[in-house]
Amino acid sequence: QTVVTQEPSLTVSPGGTVTLTCASSTGAVTSGYYPNWFQQKPGQAPRALIYSTSNKHSWTPARFSGSLLGGKAALTLSGVQPEDEADYYCLLYYGGAQSHVVFGGGTKLTVL
Amino acid sequence: QVQLQESGPGLVKPSETLSLTCTVSGYSISSGYHWGWIRQPPGKGLEWIGSIYHSGSTYYNPSLKSRVTISVDTSKNQFSLKLSSMTAADTAVYYCARDLDYGDSDYWGQGTLVTVSS
Repeated sequence: QTVVTQEPSLTVSPGGTVTLTCASSTGAVTSGYYPNWFQQKPGQAPRALIYSTSNKHSWTPARFSGSLLGGKAALTLSGVQPEDEADYYCLLYYGGAQSHVVFGGGTKLTVL
Repeated sequence: QVQLQESGPGLVKPSETLSLTCTVSGYSISSGYHWGWIRQPPGKGLEWIGSIYHSGSTYYNPSLKSRVTISVDTSKNQFSLKLSSMTAADTAVYYCARDLDYGDSDYWGQGTLVTVSS
């Protein structure tokens, strides 16, 4: 069974920069995994931030960016705001005969 | 404005089959995209259940595939989830979402809590 791994928790100071990563148990994450990133705040449905590694939705703040870093998908927040405190989930696509997607376990980001 | 709304029972007995429906407004399912189901156990992370393409092709989580059926009713602009042999481990908030492609879910329902208990 495929496992997608994220940092369980990270802490960042307001105005700082933080990078969240997303690894696959199958090996290095490439653009062919079409990494997605979602933000979820308590009591709310997830909100899509990044798709296909680095593409932003129209509502995604400019301080969020996606990339590939050292064999993992990465989400970088630059100039962190207090409202960025949330859970962040990555999602990877696995193609083939039984194509499916898998969520990472999520990263709880604390802004302190 | 695209909106999705889940509906179904909030309580299901062990061994029974869960049936949920997602009603879509502001967009015609038959126009395209995938339509998916995701769940989240209380206090835990997200789990993708599966999705259906507007044409009817289905894609399922391999670990749930034997228990899951997703279908679409374009005449009602709805899609549905059936999950059989429910256990306490299936207690979760169930979300429906529009999937543009490769998991890029841009619109989500508010979610509905389903509890499995006798």
